[in-house]
Amino acid sequence: DIQMTQSPSSLSASVGDRVTMTCRASQSISIYLNWYQQKPGKAPNLLISATSSLQSGVPSRFSGSGSGTDFTLTISSLQPEDFATYYCQHSYSAPWTFGQGTKVEIK
Amino acid sequence: QVQLVQSGAEVKKPGASVKVSCKASGYIFTTYYMHWVRQAPGHGPEWMGIINPGEGSTSYAQKFQGRVTMTRDTSTNTFYMELSSLRSQDTAVYYCARRGSENAFDYWGQGTLVTVSS
Repeated sequence: DIQMTQSPSSLSASVGDRVTMTCRASQSISIYLNWYQQKPGKAPNLLISATSSLQSGVPSRFSGSGSGTDFTLTISSLQPEDFATYYCQHSYSAPWTFGQGTKVEIK
Repeated sequence: QVQLVQSGAEVKKPGASVKVSCKASGYIFTTYYMHWVRQAPGHGPEWMGIINPGEGSTSYAQKFQGRVTMTRDTSTNTFYMELSSLRSQDTAVYYCARRGSENAFDYWGQGTLVTVSS
């Protein structure tokens, strides 16, 4: 199985900050990497698919990059509604595994 | 608009089975595969398996092989996930999630809390 490792596990940031988090796959997954945002008590919400394709309705301050084994999610200017946990997930082949998450907290 | 509406919370005893439903609407039922994912308290999501709504064929994560059964009813546009031989470690929120383009999980149900406790 492909293992997904996210870092950091948590970070503190202020509104307006630029925030970057990373996801590493245990083997190459090409660009088959997706990012989700999850708020407490809610289902995950797809933000970005295939490394960098922003989903409809997702603000342009979110962006993704990378290929192979190393990927990045960037929030260019953190907004109050962005405080949440972010998960990466590969869609290269079954089983489709998720990372353990990066929790973005208010500084 | 796409909607996935799941059944309500369940409390089960160890060794019992649970069956969670997921009613789909807002799209053509047979054109999108459906995943099942669970999330234990404080943990990341865990993929359990996927079902092809047209043929009913399935693929399960090895961890759940022999304990999970995924089915669908095309007459009611509903998916089902049954997990047997429940243990306390199966306490989690269970989600159905549609497989969208590029194999991402594009729409999710609201989740069903399954609590396993004696």
